[in-house]
Amino acid sequence: DTGVSQDPRHKITKRGQNVTFRCDPISEHNRLYWYRQTLGQGPEFLTYFQNEAQLEKSRLLSDRFSAERPKGSFSTLEIQRTEQGDSAMYLCASSPTGGGTDTQYFGPGTRLTVL
Amino acid sequence: AQSVTQLDSHVSVSEGTPVLLRCNYSSSYSPSLFWYVQHPNKGLQLLLKYTSAATLVKGINGFEAEFKKSETSFHLTKPSAHMSDAAEYFCVVSENTGGFKTIFGAGTRLFVKA
Repeated sequence: DTGVSQDPRHKITKRGQNVTFRCDPISEHNRLYWYRQTLGQGPEFLTYFQNEAQLEKSRLLSDRFSAERPKGSFSTLEIQRTEQGDSAMYLCASSPTGGGTDTQYFGPGTRLTVL
Repeated sequence: AQSVTQLDSHVSVSEGTPVLLRCNYSSSYSPSLFWYVQHPNKGLQLLLKYTSAATLVKGINGFEAEFKKSETSFHLTKPSAHMSDAAEYFCVVSENTGGFKTIFGAGTRLFVKA
């Protein structure tokens, strides 16, 4: 069990550029989640996958955001035409099955700074 | 509606004294409740979770929490603080119903003084 990994750990970009983040969950975990965390706040849910199917998206996920999990393993989160308000920590988590009692295991996060 | 409120944004204790981090929740169903800890530059780590079994839940590093349905509370405690406990703590409520319903509190920053 190598844990959840995220790449890159830090990303600085200029407003209007596109960025893509990658998350590798714990192997054999069926569920994968994306959260966004801004300074002084708790993580806010963005979207989640059950295997390769994206089952739910938060209203926070505007049409500039897209997430994929093509083979049910790793996932990518892309932000197009970045805005300064997108600056945040983007967290990925995975869990074995996904019930409400399931423990989510978090990665270290990708810190995005939009200049 | 589901919600979680962490009553203190900051808590400061001296090393060796008890820790109390307060959390109230609101849920239409029987929720699962979690406490996570976040150290600087590290990922969120599960401390403990309540899933309708024993109301007093023991977690890692000497932490425990008690589920009190009548008070809709799930406060986190530790008898004796250690310097390494300084971190951000999040209370989380999750409902096992259709759709995804997991909400994090805003967090409590714990400071431990030598």
